[in-house]
Amino acid sequence: DAKTTQPNSMESNEEEPVHLPCNHSTISGTDYIHWYRQLPSQGPEYVIHGLTSNVNNRMASLAIAEDRKSSTLILHRATLRDAAVYYCILRDATYNTDKLIFGTGTRLQVFP
Amino acid sequence: DAGVIQSPRHEVTEMGQEVTLRCKPISGHNSLFWYRQTMMRGLELLIYFNNNVPIDDSGMPEDRFSAKMPNASFSTLKIQPSEPRDSAVYFCASRRLAGEDYEQYFGPGTRLTVT
Repeated sequence: DAKTTQPNSMESNEEEPVHLPCNHSTISGTDYIHWYRQLPSQGPEYVIHGLTSNVNNRMASLAIAEDRKSSTLILHRATLRDAAVYYCILRDATYNTDKLIFGTGTRLQVFP
Repeated sequence: DAGVIQSPRHEVTEMGQEVTLRCKPISGHNSLFWYRQTMMRGLELLIYFNNNVPIDDSGMPEDRFSAKMPNASFSTLKIQPSEPRDSAVYFCASRRLAGEDYEQYFGPGTRLTVT
């Protein structure tokens, strides 16, 4: 399985944009990039996913490098509620597998 | 929608006892996942089912663990006998097997403590 590398932690101030990086240099052509986050004492929740093109939804934006070896999750205006562990995950779509392998993620702290 | 429902939310048991964790997926979802989370190992996929059939159980730690999905609205994860190293938060997740929607919806988890 292709692996992802994320910083252990990041900090942000409230209402500022946050750019969470993820490196996946061994990504294959059939790997989708998924982002989940886990708020304290809760189960993970889906944030966004993409394959090649940048993606936007109500929660965040996903910017994917042209060579797909890295991606960035963008929170446009951080709120205190965005403090969580953010996981960048590759999912192999070759066999339509549902398997998600969570790494250690990035712990985001948001300060008022 | 009530979301994924897990019970119990907390379980404390003694080593050697049988433990059964329960999960009710979101109505209409036909894929169900069991995960375990510990500080040491992070979040691990144990097993997942599609249309009530186990697809991948390679994450099940050993024979003490078993999972069943007798119907589309119920699944159990059983540990027999339990050991202190099984202490963890166990999450159930579900999703709909259709189209490009790969979002998994997680339950609140069951915190298991084995003494």
